[in-house]
Amino acid sequence: KNEVEQSPQNLTAQEGEFITINCSYSVGISALHWLQQHPGGGIVSLFMLSSGKKKHGRLIATINIQEKHSSLHITASHPRDSAVYICAVPEGGSEKLVFGKGMKLTVNP
Amino acid sequence: DAGVIQSPRHEVTEMGQEVTLRCKPISGHNSLFWYRQTMMRGLELLIYFNNNVPIDDSGMPEDRFSAKMPNASFSTLKIQPSEPRDSAVYFCASSGLAGGGDTQYFGPGTRLTVL
Repeated sequence: KNEVEQSPQNLTAQEGEFITINCSYSVGISALHWLQQHPGGGIVSLFMLSSGKKKHGRLIATINIQEKHSSLHITASHPRDSAVYICAVPEGGSEKLVFGKGMKLTVNP
Repeated sequence: DAGVIQSPRHEVTEMGQEVTLRCKPISGHNSLFWYRQTMMRGLELLIYFNNNVPIDDSGMPEDRFSAKMPNASFSTLKIQPSEPRDSAVYFCASSGLAGGGDTQYFGPGTRLTVL
């Protein structure tokens, strides 16, 4: 079974700071998912990536397949980025996702 | 598209009662997932369907839980009888491709409280 570890578990930042959230997994995968859960509870898929880097607005996701590691970067952070960020990987070749415990980000104005 | 639709959004019931949660996936998606989220265990997959067929139900906690997908546009998750430890947020999600290679779109969730 794939084990997914996220670090840090909690992070408080000031508006404008550059933020990095890390995710490591134990077994090779086809793709990795980054999800965002808002304080109200809704879950949104941010990225799905299998190699290299993807960018969407101020969010950048990178993955290193050899090192089994992914990072999510937030540039020029804003209070509205405050959320829980969850990393997930498929188990084996299935659609079953294994989730990290999430990282709670708080961005203060 | 309206996205994944779940009902009810909130459910409060008493221990021993039957609870039915409903989900309408995004039209055209062929995979549907039921998740449970608690503070202690985070997000966990309960069961997923591909083309209306249950593929993996290893996450279903016990026989009190059952899920059906009678057609491509509707699924139910039933708990009978419910217990206080079933209190959680239950999410339904759908995706369009098999093999973990597609984005999963989540519904707003059903917050279940069992007294």
